[in-house]
Amino acid sequence: DVVMTQSPLSLPVTLGQPASISCRSSQSLVHSDGNTYLTWFQQRPGQSPRRLIYKVSNRDSGVPDRFSGSGSGTDFTLKISRVEAEDVGVYYCMQGTQWPPWTFGQGTKVEIK
Amino acid sequence: EVQLLESGGGLVQPGGSLRLSCAASGFTFRNSWMHWVRQAPGEGLVWVSHINTDGSSTSYADSVKGRFTISKDNAKNTLYLQMNSLRAEDTAVYYCLRNFDSWGRGTLVTVSS
Repeated sequence: DVVMTQSPLSLPVTLGQPASISCRSSQSLVHSDGNTYLTWFQQRPGQSPRRLIYKVSNRDSGVPDRFSGSGSGTDFTLKISRVEAEDVGVYYCMQGTQWPPWTFGQGTKVEIK
Repeated sequence: EVQLLESGGGLVQPGGSLRLSCAASGFTFRNSWMHWVRQAPGEGLVWVSHINTDGSSTSYADSVKGRFTISKDNAKNTLYLQMNSLRAEDTAVYYCLRNFDSWGRGTLVTVSS
């Protein structure tokens, strides 16, 4: 199974400042079709998760452009350019290249300092 | 608008069974891969099972293989998860997903005597 490792697990951030979350996979996430199936989800307190970014860097509809995804191979990053109060929650990366199983990272809790 | 509404959760004794349902609307259900993902209290996301468009292909996490069965009724736009031989460690909120781009609100399953 592909193991997904996120860091940090807790990220206190000042409003208006940038934030960055790292996600590393135990194997390359490049699929034989040429795509890299790395997805980021946001779970706000008390809510269901929602997808933010798919295939490394593609933002979902309605996701603010302060969120961006990057990376390749086994190293990936989610960046928030300027953290807002509504960004508080837990962020998960997930791989969908080598399945089953689809595997998630442990989650990174973003909170306001 | 995509809507996924889970039901069927509740309190069950160890060794018991439950069947979860997920009523889907707002998209072409028969053309969609569907998943179940669970989240134990205070924990992260764990993929449970997937089913392809016509139900001819399914997969399961090792932790539920042989005990859980996923199915879909394309005529009723409904996804199911039959859960047998339930254990305390199956206690979680169970989410229904359309190919990871849309999530339901979840239904809580509690396995306890």
